[in-house]
Amino acid sequence: EVQLVESGGGVERPGASLRLSCAASGFTFDNYGMSWVRQAPGKGPEWVSGINWNGGTRGYADSVKGRFTISRDNAKNSLYLEMNSLKAEDTALYYCARGAFLSFDYWGQGILVTVSS
Amino acid sequence: QSVLTQPPSVSAAPGQKVTISCSGSTSNIGNNYLSWYQQLPGTAPKLLIYDNNKRPSGIPDRFSGSKSGTSATLGITGLQTGDEADYYCGTWDSSLSSVVFGGGTKLTVL
Repeated sequence: EVQLVESGGGVERPGASLRLSCAASGFTFDNYGMSWVRQAPGKGPEWVSGINWNGGTRGYADSVKGRFTISRDNAKNSLYLEMNSLKAEDTALYYCARGAFLSFDYWGQGILVTVSS
Repeated sequence: QSVLTQPPSVSAAPGQKVTISCSGSTSNIGNNYLSWYQQLPGTAPKLLIYDNNKRPSGIPDRFSGSKSGTSATLGITGLQTGDEADYYCGTWDSSLSSVVFGGGTKLTVL
């Protein structure tokens, strides 16, 4: 069974940093691209970043480019999102999803990130 | 405003059919595969349709997808109360170099 479990969320001040992790299991992790997708309260999903199977190709939404960094460790079956210079508008539920740049066939349960002074 | 345009809401009676539209441009729907997602209240989105019209394993054939030019449609037949959810379309946008989603359509089964 495919499982994606996010961790590392919390409440941070504007300008702070946070690192999200996603532990994957139930499939051959290094066969798949992965993404982070966020959803603000009452809003639709917003793709944040994607990474191909070996980390050689990475993409970011304009809203996070230069502030967020996606990475993966295939040996640990893990996906990461380093979030710097956090803004209030980054407040959302962050999902780890299988798939990089087209469709996302499995999603985690999400982890809440709140940016507030 | 979302790059992909969906109607905010649709409704139909149990057992009936409903369609949800998704409109975009040549930089997204017109030249890339489209996916549809169902989001039940309080849960993560779930992939319903990928590559315009393919269903993942476990998705009933009551759900169908089609695409023509820069627009796409999700069809749901034999509506059930359990189909009440938000539905989103999504695809790659070659101009933005980003995945884009529609604003979502809330389906009410009356």
